[in-house]
Amino acid sequence: GQQLNQSPQSMFIQEGEDVSMNCTSSSIFNTWLWYKQDPGEGPVLLIALYKAGELTSNGRLTAQFGITRKDSFLNISASIPSDVGIYFCAGLPFGNQFYFGTGTSLTVIP
Amino acid sequence: EAQVTQNPRYLITVTGKKLTVTCSQNMNHEYMSWYRQDPGLGLRQIYYSMNVEVTDKGDVPEGYKVSRKEKRNFPLILESPSPNQTSLYFCASSDRGPQETQYFGPGTRLLVL
Repeated sequence: GQQLNQSPQSMFIQEGEDVSMNCTSSSIFNTWLWYKQDPGEGPVLLIALYKAGELTSNGRLTAQFGITRKDSFLNISASIPSDVGIYFCAGLPFGNQFYFGTGTSLTVIP
Repeated sequence: EAQVTQNPRYLITVTGKKLTVTCSQNMNHEYMSWYRQDPGLGLRQIYYSMNVEVTDKGDVPEGYKVSRKEKRNFPLILESPSPNQTSLYFCASSDRGPQETQYFGPGTRLLVL
């Protein structure tokens, strides 16, 4: 199946710092999405991207659909303690099978 | 309250003993899906359903079965569980497809001895 490689695997940052993470795939994707998972919960959708080059914001979060259609980026500005969790990229190549990335674990140090 | 429910939440079983994990949604969603989550691998799609009586394999369907006889229910069946199916399982639903917001259930933690 498809492989979505996320980096970094984990991050430890100070409160107030900005965060960047990215996701790359081995093939072209039609849709990119970013989810966050809190401990003991299911993932929750943060941002959805539907066109190459698209840049979308949701509060302090900004995500981009890469021009090559094989990557996506998520930035979090001015991190706060409640940003702690695991962030997953996810997407659809052409077709209906859905793929998640391996996740980036974020720890925010107050 | 709009939600996806899964039962049981925790299950310990033995190799070969058939089990079913139920999933139900009350949002009249057409799309439902099952995922398994394993450390370091993220979530992987097992099966999905675009509508009643329509199911398709995801990335890791081996050893699992599903059915979609009613819109609200999408049970996951393990006919002969094996230890490599020990995992955390999530059911999810969305209005029309995975490109839209998927709402996840609380998860079922399965241990196969």
